Amino acid sequence: NAGVMQNPRHLVRRRGQEARLRCSPMKGHSHVYWYRQLPEEGLKFMVYLQKENIIDESGMPKERFSAEFPKEGPSILRIQQVVRGDSAAYFCASSPWAQLGRTGELFFGEGSRLTVL
Amino acid sequence: RKEVEQDPGPFNVPEGATVAFNCTYSNSASQSFFWYRQDCRKEPKLLMSVYSSGNEDGRFTAQLNRASQYISLLIRDSKLSDSATYLCVVTGVNTDKLIFGTGTRLQVFP
Repeated sequence: NAGVMQNPRHLVRRRGQEARLRCSPMKGHSHVYWYRQLPEEGLKFMVYLQKENIIDESGMPKERFSAEFPKEGPSILRIQQVVRGDSAAYFCASSPWAQLGRTGELFFGEGSRLTVL
Repeated sequence: RKEVEQDPGPFNVPEGATVAFNCTYSNSASQSFFWYRQDCRKEPKLLMSVYSSGNEDGRFTAQLNRASQYISLLIRDSKLSDSATYLCVVTGVNTDKLIFGTGTRLQVFP
């Protein structure tokens, strides 16, 4: 049973370009979360999606960032017109159910490290 | 004020030592609490849940004090392989998301 798969693992973009990060959840998991981790900082929640629905996007910046989780295919985190401050590790996590309070277990991918030049 | 606060460390301890980490959370309505472990440049992984009655898993003991909004993790007989960053995690209120602290780094030396 493959774990959460993220790609690319490393991405370099110049300012103003677009970055697309992909996440395939574990088999059977329909809940996907995106977190951002800046150097020397903690994981910051960005968005929570279920298939075809955004459930909670309270952590997403208002501009340039968007996320989707289509019926078929991976979840995508898209960052338009990247700036240096977007350089970070972006982690995707999945869960087979909501109500994380029950187990607290999110299964994380290895992350996508974005560097903006 | 941060929702979850931790001492960033690092805690440098010799093998065999006992070490304790603390964490405070700001929202008294938070319901569930966990410790995650993150190795350098790796993904976080669930270490254990934290219950009001306290819980133990081998060399690891977690405790929760709801009145003080305080969570602790105790590691006994530290191993070199325990070197990692330990993340204190709470669930959001009325939301299905986990809120992570910035982590406490542990370095166990021979």
